[in-house]
Amino acid sequence: SYVLTQPPSVSVAPGQPARITCGGDDIGRRSVHWFQQKPGQAPVLIVYDDTARPSGIPERFSGSNSGDTATLTISRVEAGDEADYYCQLWDGVSDHYVFGTGTKVTVL
Amino acid sequence: EVQLVQSGVEVKKPGESLKIYCRGSGYGFTNFWIGWVRQMPGKGLEWMGIIYPGDSDTRYSPSFQGRVTISADKSITTAYLQWSSLKASDTAMYYCARRDVLTGKTFDIWGQGTLILVSS
Repeated sequence: SYVLTQPPSVSVAPGQPARITCGGDDIGRRSVHWFQQKPGQAPVLIVYDDTARPSGIPERFSGSNSGDTATLTISRVEAGDEADYYCQLWDGVSDHYVFGTGTKVTVL
Repeated sequence: EVQLVQSGVEVKKPGESLKIYCRGSGYGFTNFWIGWVRQMPGKGLEWMGIIYPGDSDTRYSPSFQGRVTISADKSITTAYLQWSSLKASDTAMYYCARRDVLTGKTFDIWGQGTLILVSS
């Protein structure tokens, strides 16, 4: 089955950019989606189809996808961005939905 | 308002059966796939399976096939996740989520989650 690998944690100072990677075999040929999950809350979709943002999601959140790595970038991190972030894709070969291992973002 | 509302906390013993629900409102429930996602304590998200309420077409992750049953009753806009015999390892938060129609590959609306505690 398809595997998505994320770094367990990323630490960043307020106002600085944060980059969260999601590695997978030739992932650039697939559509990747990103979720934010704050403690005690359900996940929220923040980026879909590699780069698109749902209504209400700040422009500070952006995505890219090429080769074997997809990346979620938070351009200027705020204290409220402290959360777990998950990448996700649909594997057309198996018709299954795959989540990444998750990355905890800590704001210093 | 589009929303998915899930059933409340469940405390069960190993071997007991359980059926939890996910009720959709504010949209055409019949026309959107509903998925189920497990999150074990302190762990990540795991896709369990998905159902199309319109005709009850259902798909399962191999990791959960045979362990759970996903069903839906479109007349009351509700999807279900059930176990016939719970194990301690089923202790987790379970989320339902609506598959989006824009991409058909992700989940745009999530329920608040149902916490299941299984302990003797």
